[in-house]
Amino acid sequence: GENVEQHPSTLSVQEGDSAVIKCTYSDSASNYFPWYKQELGKRPQLIIDIRSNVGEKKDQRIAVTLNKTAKHFSLHITETQPEDSAVYFCAANNNAGNMLTFGGGTRLMVKP
Amino acid sequence: DSGVTQTPKHLITATGQRVTLRCSPRSGDLSVYWYQQSLDQGLQFLIQYYNGEERAKGNILERFSAQQFPDLHSELNLSSLELGDSALYFCASSVGLADNTDTQYFGPGTRLTVL
Repeated sequence: GENVEQHPSTLSVQEGDSAVIKCTYSDSASNYFPWYKQELGKRPQLIIDIRSNVGEKKDQRIAVTLNKTAKHFSLHITETQPEDSAVYFCAANNNAGNMLTFGGGTRLMVKP
Repeated sequence: DSGVTQTPKHLITATGQRVTLRCSPRSGDLSVYWYQQSLDQGLQFLIQYYNGEERAKGNILERFSAQQFPDLHSELNLSSLELGDSALYFCASSVGLADNTDTQYFGPGTRLTVL
């Protein structure tokens, strides 16, 4: 089955700096890669996703890149703000039924 | 608010008991997914239903079962509860695209505590 690894597990940045979180996956059949943000005790919220037919997608301060050959994808947050502090999860689908396999999460802390 | 609703918000019960968690998907969504989130296991996929039929199964224990009803709401039944079943249980829903790339929207979750 699919295996998703996520790094780093914690990330601390100064407000205004950029943050990068990286994930690798194992199943070459995966074709959908969402990123979720989760605040303590709350539901995971989709922040951006990418499908395998594109290499990069951007939405304001957030961008995701995908390298299908190397089987890795990354989340980039620019001009970080204290409200970006949360746990971020990457995921990859299993093409058989769209079940998502999640990475272990990255706790991002943005210091004012 | 994602449009996915889950009840109850919190559930406290004893070992050996049985509980039912309920989920209503977003209007128009045909797929429902159940995930378990615990501190040591992270977010784990349990099971997916599409328009009333089971579509995919993860590492769901035999003590757990689920179903999706004709009105598309879903229930997750957990029986013979153990301390290790304490976790956040999330339901998610999606439209159900044929290429399996549809976005999943998560509900607020049910926090289960087994004492």
